[in-house]
Amino acid sequence: AQSVSQHNHHVILSEAASLELGCNYSYGGTVNLFWYVQYPGQHLQLLLKYFSGDPLVKGIKGFEAEFIKSKFSFNLRKPSVQWSDTAEYFCAVRPSIGPNSGYALNFGKGTSLLVTP
Amino acid sequence: GAGVSQSPSNKVTEKGKDVELRCDPISGHTALYWYRQSLGQGLEFLIYFQGNSAPDKSGLPSDRFSAERTGGSVSTLTIQRTQQEDSAVYLCASSRGFAQYFGPGTRLTVL
Repeated sequence: AQSVSQHNHHVILSEAASLELGCNYSYGGTVNLFWYVQYPGQHLQLLLKYFSGDPLVKGIKGFEAEFIKSKFSFNLRKPSVQWSDTAEYFCAVRPSIGPNSGYALNFGKGTSLLVTP
Repeated sequence: GAGVSQSPSNKVTEKGKDVELRCDPISGHTALYWYRQSLGQGLEFLIYFQGNSAPDKSGLPSDRFSAERTGGSVSTLTIQRTQQEDSAVYLCASSRGFAQYFGPGTRLTVL
């Protein structure tokens, strides 16, 4: 079945540690890729997006993600996390061409990140 | 400018009652989406509106769910004869391109 997988459900890091959250998808063809963040008590916010071009995408708050087409992956990274990065992170995929294309986003189940002081 | 707004923020209802959830998209956004976020299920697509086109209802879980969008702006999601499994956070998003911007959600609790 077509899906979006986030392998890490819960991640705990100390401040200043480096972060990498995995995201893999199983849709063939062209895709649009997104990372959303949900801070405690707040709504989903767009962190970054990839449509085409440079596969290394930079987003807000020092986050970046790399699209590796051969691996069907779009991992999120940040070199040095802060306590304020504590949140839930969602990867989302929109197949843009093919039988599964449409306008809905297909979300992973999310990764809960806790950054300790 | 103002983001996507949703009302009410919380709704508690009894099993079997009907509920209406409202979404006010970002001004100028032609596309509007409803999603449901429930524990263990993640975010599920429900329905999508684009301009005056017929909505994509492919994600609605049953015929108890319906939605309309009046005048290409405000949308209402209606759940008839609510069941306990309908308890979730209902999220609305709008877009002008492909990036969707989400509202704060309505937390629905069915007792």
